[in-house]
Amino acid sequence: KAGVTQTPRYLIKTRGQQVTLSCSPISGHRSVSWYQQTPGQGLQFLFEYFSETQRNKGNFPGRFSGRQFSNSRSEMNVSTLELGDSALYLCASSLDPGTGQPQHFGDGTRLSIL
Amino acid sequence: KQEVTQIPAALSVPEGENLVLNCSFTDSAIYNLQWFRQDPGKGLTSLLLIQSSQREQTSGRLNASLDKSSGRSTLYIAASQPGDSATYLCAADGISGSARQLTFGSGTQLTVLP
Repeated sequence: KAGVTQTPRYLIKTRGQQVTLSCSPISGHRSVSWYQQTPGQGLQFLFEYFSETQRNKGNFPGRFSGRQFSNSRSEMNVSTLELGDSALYLCASSLDPGTGQPQHFGDGTRLSIL
Repeated sequence: KQEVTQIPAALSVPEGENLVLNCSFTDSAIYNLQWFRQDPGKGLTSLLLIQSSQREQTSGRLNASLDKSSGRSTLYIAASQPGDSATYLCAADGISGSARQLTFGSGTQLTVLP
């Protein structure tokens, strides 16, 4: 069974640009969550999508947005990039975290802002 | 707001030793507690998930315990091997702010020396 796939693995952008990251969950998983990992703040929750609806949202500004498609694939968009957005962005999928199922993580997209 | 702390931040042991990693959380109203490992440049691998009604979970050489009332969890690794070298993260699944999310500790970086 294929794991969680995130593309691209690496991205370099400049301040003010926008970026879209993609996540393909494990087949059959309907929940997709996004996390930001930085050396200073550690792992922080961005948002969770379930059946194409944003079900939970962390404490990030509106520049961070996402969506989920009918096949459960998810995209995350960051607009007006700032230097502080440099991070490893991780996606995790689950059958449904609401039922206590573990989350399975991809290898992440490393975003560098110049 | 949930806060998760892991002690120690780093640990170096000789091969074959048994070791304990500690995790504490401030809000005992959690759904479950999860342990992950992260290898350099990779995403997170789920190791064990302990439901809030359980006291411990075991998988191979790993045993995790949960004491909700005291806000503590421990991960016990028996007969450590160099391949166990990684960063170990614990995460509390609960409501933080207004969102259900995993709140992560900052991790324990484990090095097992051959």
